[in-house]
Amino acid sequence: KQEVTQIPAALSVPEGENLVLNCSFTDSAIYNLQWFRQDPGKGLTSLLLIQSSQREQTSGRLNASLDKSSGRSTLYIAASQPGDSATYLCAGLSGNTPLVFGKGTRLSVIA
Amino acid sequence: DADVTQTPRNRITKTGKRIMLECSQTKGHDRMYWYRQDPGLGLRLIYYSFDVKDINKGEISDGYSVSRQAQAKFSLSLESAIPNQTALYFCATSDGIEVTSTGELFFGEGSRLTVL
Repeated sequence: KQEVTQIPAALSVPEGENLVLNCSFTDSAIYNLQWFRQDPGKGLTSLLLIQSSQREQTSGRLNASLDKSSGRSTLYIAASQPGDSATYLCAGLSGNTPLVFGKGTRLSVIA
Repeated sequence: DADVTQTPRNRITKTGKRIMLECSQTKGHDRMYWYRQDPGLGLRLIYYSFDVKDINKGEISDGYSVSRQAQAKFSLSLESAIPNQTALYFCATSDGIEVTSTGELFFGEGSRLTVL
């Protein structure tokens, strides 16, 4: 059964800093890994989807990587801005079962 | 218009009342899901459906039921609401994991339910 862990649970950085959010998963036979952003009280917005055949995906200042052998994915945010403050969740899809979510990392970017 | 629409967006009700949360999608996906989110507990899966004739329990299905009325519609019911069902509820959809699809998950905006 897939399990997904995100560490740390919360992170605070000064504006302009580059940062990395971590996601670990237990089932290396992962079909895809998806990163989401959630603002307080709002829905989840899909940021990046990495298929099992891919190593990374990029969108603007965001870059997500996937290493199946080590069971890790990272979300890199370049030149962080206060508007990046949100909770970031990763979720892994393995086989014909629903996605399994981590509990998220709450990011605060301080101006 | 949103691809995944949830109604109502906010609801306050009393203990013992029956509540239905509705979800509709225009993405043409076969798979639909209901999650609840509580502070500190993350997203937990209540029920999911991989096609119109398929209904599966998630990790916290007790006290809930669902109906898949059509490919585009998936409703969640609380037969007799209780205060610990106060939470933010999300509907989501995805396509499958066939060669031509990605399995990407898309969420609705959420339904905030308060049970007094």
